[in-house]
Amino acid sequence: SQKIEQNSEALNIQEGKTATLTCNYTNYSPAYLQWYRQDPGRGPVFLLLIRENEKEKRKERLKVTFDTTLKQSLFHITASQPADSATYLCALANTGFQKLVFGTGTRLLVSP
Amino acid sequence: GAGVSQSPSNKVTEKGKDVELRCDPISGHTALYWYRQRLGQGLEFLIYFQGNSAPDKSGLPSDRFSAERTGESVSTLTIQRTQQEDSAVYLCASSSWDLNEQFFGPGTRLTVL
Repeated sequence: SQKIEQNSEALNIQEGKTATLTCNYTNYSPAYLQWYRQDPGRGPVFLLLIRENEKEKRKERLKVTFDTTLKQSLFHITASQPADSATYLCALANTGFQKLVFGTGTRLLVSP
Repeated sequence: GAGVSQSPSNKVTEKGKDVELRCDPISGHTALYWYRQRLGQGLEFLIYFQGNSAPDKSGLPSDRFSAERTGESVSTLTIQRTQQEDSAVYLCASSSWDLNEQFFGPGTRLTVL
């Protein structure tokens, strides 16, 4: 069966460190993978999209990698800040025309 | 409008009543999704509309749930004979045909007493 797995345990790190979140998938051949941020009481907000032919994508302090051999994406936040504390969700679709499916998310807590 | 809007923002109903939730997507977005999110849980896919194609209803949890969409415009999610287990935040999202980046509405918090 198809699965998207994210660590259900919260990730606690200290301000200034790099946070690394993992998204693993099985039985998908995604054309692209997306990462979203969700704050309590709000809908998710799109952060980054990485295509299957891209190894790495950066946006400010964010970096996403995509390894289609390992079937894994890593999401990095460098120089983390308490304001980065939120739940981060990965999502993927086999093509642009199929529905996007979300992982359950990993909660990040950045302590001052 | 600038973003996805949903109404009502909060709905409290009694068990057994029917409720209708509304979603106004971003103009021009062909894809529209409904999700359910229970407290502290992940997004649960309910239904997906893409252009004029038949909707993907594979996530609807029971026949008490239904949704409609008028063209590429407004969508309504209807829950009949509500149960306490239906209490959750119902999120709507829309996306364009090519990029598929989803834009979420603020959600409707449904409480069934």
